[in-house]
Amino acid sequence: DAGVTQSPTHLIKTRGQHVTLRCSPISGHKSVSWYQQVLGQGPQFIFQYYEKEERGRGNFPDRFSARQFPNYSSELNVNALLLGDSALYLCASSLERGTDTQYFGPGTRLTVL
Amino acid sequence: EDKVVQSPLSLVVHEGDTVTLNCSYEVTNFRSLLWYKQEKKAPTFLFMLTSSGIEKKSGRLSSILDKKELFSILNITATQTGDSAVYLCAVYGGATNKLIFGTGTLLAVQP
Repeated sequence: DAGVTQSPTHLIKTRGQHVTLRCSPISGHKSVSWYQQVLGQGPQFIFQYYEKEERGRGNFPDRFSARQFPNYSSELNVNALLLGDSALYLCASSLERGTDTQYFGPGTRLTVL
Repeated sequence: EDKVVQSPLSLVVHEGDTVTLNCSYEVTNFRSLLWYKQEKKAPTFLFMLTSSGIEKKSGRLSSILDKKELFSILNITATQTGDSAVYLCAVYGGATNKLIFGTGTLLAVQP
């Protein structure tokens, strides 16, 4: 079975632009979570979606938004990019909302110039 | 504030050595503690621990949780160069039921 997939692999943007990152969960998984990982740090929780609804949100500004589609795939959108948004963005999927074990995708490396 | 602290931050060992990685936590509404291995990008799942004192084992890796003292250890015996990676500890809990990660331990295994 395919694991969690993310696209694109790498992305370079300039300040002020916006970006859309995509994630497909493991088949049968209904919950998707997004994380931001800056160099030298552990991943920081951004959002969790379950059954197309936001179920949790981390301490990130409103420039960050996400959604989940009927097929359980998800998009993360970031508007008005700042240099500090440069990071590895990880998507993780789990079976259900309350399932603790999350499986991660390979991530999208975003560089903001 | 919920937090997960890992030590050491980095470690260099030789093949065949045994290493112990530490993870302490202060997290409200604790549900479970998870260990991941991150080599290049995707953290890969190693263990999930929910009960104190029960060791989980997979090959040369093992882990145990102490819910009274709020810590966990990850042991790797007979290390190999392929064990070189960042090892992440995460606790599921907090006010919004989320995974809270430590900063990781960078392990380098030299031949």
